[in-house]
Amino acid sequence: AQSVTQLDSQVPVFEEAPVELRCNYSSSVSVYLFWYVQYPNQGLQLLLKYLSGSTLVKGINGFEAEFNKSQTSFHLRKPSVHISDTAEYFCAVRKSGTYKYIFGTGTRLKVLA
Amino acid sequence: DVKVTQSSRYLVKRTGEKVFLECVQDMDHENMFWYRQDPGLGLRLIYFSYDVKMKEKGDIPEGYSVSREKKERFSLILESASTNQTSMYLCASSFGAGRATGELFFGEGSRLTVL
Repeated sequence: AQSVTQLDSQVPVFEEAPVELRCNYSSSVSVYLFWYVQYPNQGLQLLLKYLSGSTLVKGINGFEAEFNKSQTSFHLRKPSVHISDTAEYFCAVRKSGTYKYIFGTGTRLKVLA
Repeated sequence: DVKVTQSSRYLVKRTGEKVFLECVQDMDHENMFWYRQDPGLGLRLIYFSYDVKMKEKGDIPEGYSVSREKKERFSLILESASTNQTSMYLCASSFGAGRATGELFFGEGSRLTVL
């Protein structure tokens, strides 16, 4: 069965420091990959997506992610975080040809002043 | 901008009550989804609809039913609410085959407490 693993449930980081949120997936077929952000008491908002093409994907708010097929990873990075980036981040996978999305359990990013 | 609207942000219900959660999208999306979000468990799919009157069970359909009578509206029904259905419920929508851009568009969520 397909699965998505977010290795860190919580990541504290100081303001202006870089951050990487890790995501690994298991799938033997083509997949589409997504990162979503959820601010407190809100729904999820798309940060970025990989459908095909360049493996380095840039998203909103200065985030980027790199698709690594050999390592089945799609890690999210930001070179310098702000207090406003404090939120929960979800990695998701959709298998090509289906409409079912599999979500990771989320990573809570806490940016410290 | 795509807008997915969930009718109630916060609900408090009693055990055994029938609960309706409504979701409306304004982008002519074919697909609509209901997810349940619990701490440490991420998002789990309850039901999925790919067309009017069409539905498919997700990973955790027990205790829930859905209704899609119009393309823009997808309702989640708890026939007899139980305390273990206390959770955040998220509605989402997306384009179907041929117009797919990939991502889901989410509503703000409905936080249900069952006493």
